[in-house]
This record gives sequence, structure tokens and C-alpha cells, in this order.
Amino acid sequence: AQSVAQPEDQVNVAEGNPLTVKCTYSVSGNPYLFWYVQYPNRGLQFLLKYITGDNLVKGSYGFEAEFNKSQTSFHLKKPSALVSDSALYFCAVRDASGGYNKLIFGAGTRLAVHP
Amino acid sequence: EPEVTQTPSHQVTQMGQEVILRCVPISNHLYFYWYRQILGQKVEFLVSFYNNEISEKSEIFDDQFSVERPDGSNFTLKIRSTKLEDSAMYFCASEQGSSGNTIYFGEGSWLTVV
Repeated sequence: AQSVAQPEDQVNVAEGNPLTVKCTYSVSGNPYLFWYVQYPNRGLQFLLKYITGDNLVKGSYGFEAEFNKSQTSFHLKKPSALVSDSALYFCAVRDASGGYNKLIFGAGTRLAVHP
Repeated sequence: EPEVTQTPSHQVTQMGQEVILRCVPISNHLYFYWYRQILGQKVEFLVSFYNNEISEKSEIFDDQFSVERPDGSNFTLKIRSTKLEDSAMYFCASEQGSSGNTIYFGEGSWLTVV
């Protein structure tokens, strides 16, 4: 069975500092990994994904994430946080081996960037 | 940029009433999904739909729920007899057709059951 863990309910960062939002996953086959962001009262907005190839993937708004197979992790990072990055971030996994499988989401991490 | 659109954005309904949530997926997409998010909680998978039939459903998606693609563009979620615990944000999503593709989500429909 697929699962995703986001161990931090909230991450607090000062503007201009680097940020990391953690995610670990479990799938029986190879993973496809995704990050989505949710602003208040809005839908889920795609940020980036890892399918295959380079372990470091770059996405929207300067975000990037590193796939680490041995640690089964896919942490989201940004070198310099903005106040406007404050939102709810969801990591999601899909098992690549089973066809068009559903996305399974983590519980979400609230990112608060302080001026 | 193409997007998934959902209506209504917010609906208040009385317990026991039927509700239909509507979605227009991105036009060349083939796979459709409904997810829900109870306030402040996890995003949960409800159902996936391909080639005019359900491909997978979760234990949440019981006999009170049904999905339909009535006219080749709309994708609807019907809740036959709403319960208080059905109050949630319901997200429609679609993808083009490969499991490596991105699933795109709509803005959601807030359902409040009173």
C-alpha cells in the first residue's frame, strides 16, 4: 500500500532564509512523487514532480525537491523563502508499477514565512 | 493555461438531501478523479474514472456516492442522501493519460451539510 508521511505540521522560516519541507513515502513499486501547494480557500496547485532521471527536480516559484531512493524521501526546498510562500504544502505519491494509480497525499505541512 | 473548473464553489444543503457537484475537466484529458478534504485535514481519494467507468474507489465512496460523465465534457459527483460528515471541500481532478503525468485539480466545491 502507498503512504506518505510529512512529519512536521508546521514549518516556520524567516523571509530570505532557506526552507525545507520534509516528505517520506512508501510504495511497493517505483514511486512517482509530487508536491502541491494550497493557498487559503483555494485548490491544489501543482509545484513539481519526480518521475525518473535527475534526482533534483525544479518546479514553480523557485521550489525544488530532491528524490532520495535510499531514504525514501522527497523533501521540498527553496533557497530563499518569501512571505508569499506561506501556504499548505502537500507531498503525494503514486505507484508507477500499477498503471494509472491514484495519488496518495500526506497530511500536509503549513509553511509560515515571517518578514 | 487550461484548467479544471468546478461548480458550485459553495453549497449549503440540508441533511438527507441530494447534491450534485459538477466539474469540467481539461479538454484532452482521459482520467478523472474526485478527492475530498475535510476542513484542515488530509486530501482523501474518493474515486477514479476512465473510459466511462469507475477504475478505482475508496472505502469512503459508498453506495451514497456516484459519478457520471453525462455528455463528454462534464464529470459529476452525486451524493444521494447527504450526512453531516459529508461536509468537506470536494476536488475534481484530471490527467492526460499516463501515470507519469500531472494530475490537475480544480478550485474545489465547498459542501456544508446542516
